Amino acid sequence: DAGVTQSPTHLIKTRGQHVTLRCSPISGHKSVSWYQQVLGQGPQFIFQYYEKEERGRGNFPDRFSARQFPNYSSELNVNALLLGDSALYLCASSLGGDNSPLHFGNGTRLTVT
Amino acid sequence: GDSVTQMEGPVTLSEEAFLTINCTYTATGYPSLFWYVQYPGEGLQLLLKATKADDKGSNKGFEATYRKETTSFHLEKGSVQVSDSAVYFCALSDSRSSGNTGKLIFGQGTTLQVKP
Repeated sequence: DAGVTQSPTHLIKTRGQHVTLRCSPISGHKSVSWYQQVLGQGPQFIFQYYEKEERGRGNFPDRFSARQFPNYSSELNVNALLLGDSALYLCASSLGGDNSPLHFGNGTRLTVT
Repeated sequence: GDSVTQMEGPVTLSEEAFLTINCTYTATGYPSLFWYVQYPGEGLQLLLKATKADDKGSNKGFEATYRKETTSFHLEKGSVQVSDSAVYFCALSDSRSSGNTGKLIFGQGTTLQVKP
């Protein structure tokens, strides 16, 4: 079975631009979460979606938004990019039930210049 | 708020040495606790978990016990291999969302390097 897939794998953008990152969860998984991992640090929670509804939001500015589609895939959008947005963006999926484990994708490496 | 603190790395060991990576947490409720491993160029993989006090999670020779009295979840392995070289993350589920593992709070990670 395919794992969590993310696209693109690498991306270079300029300050002020907008970016869209995509995630396809494991088949049957209804929950998708997004994390930002800055080099040398642990992942920071951005969003969780379950059954197409936002279930949680981390401490990130409104420039960050996300959505989940009927097929449970998800997009993370970041507007007005800053240099500090350079990071590895990880998507994780799960069944969504209590204590169901997260399965992470390999991430999208975003570089803002 | 909830938080996780891991021992600073890198940790450098010889093959077959004993491994301990310390992890302590702060939480207002009763979170589940996790260890994730990240190999170079890859995403995180769940290594083991424990959902309540005194539970022991184990996988691939790694173990960790949920100690509520010391708010700790230290990772141990009796004999490490070169292939265990990776970054290890301790994490807890948001204790305000009982059972929901979508929002995890991670420590800063500990790099393990095992030399032959």
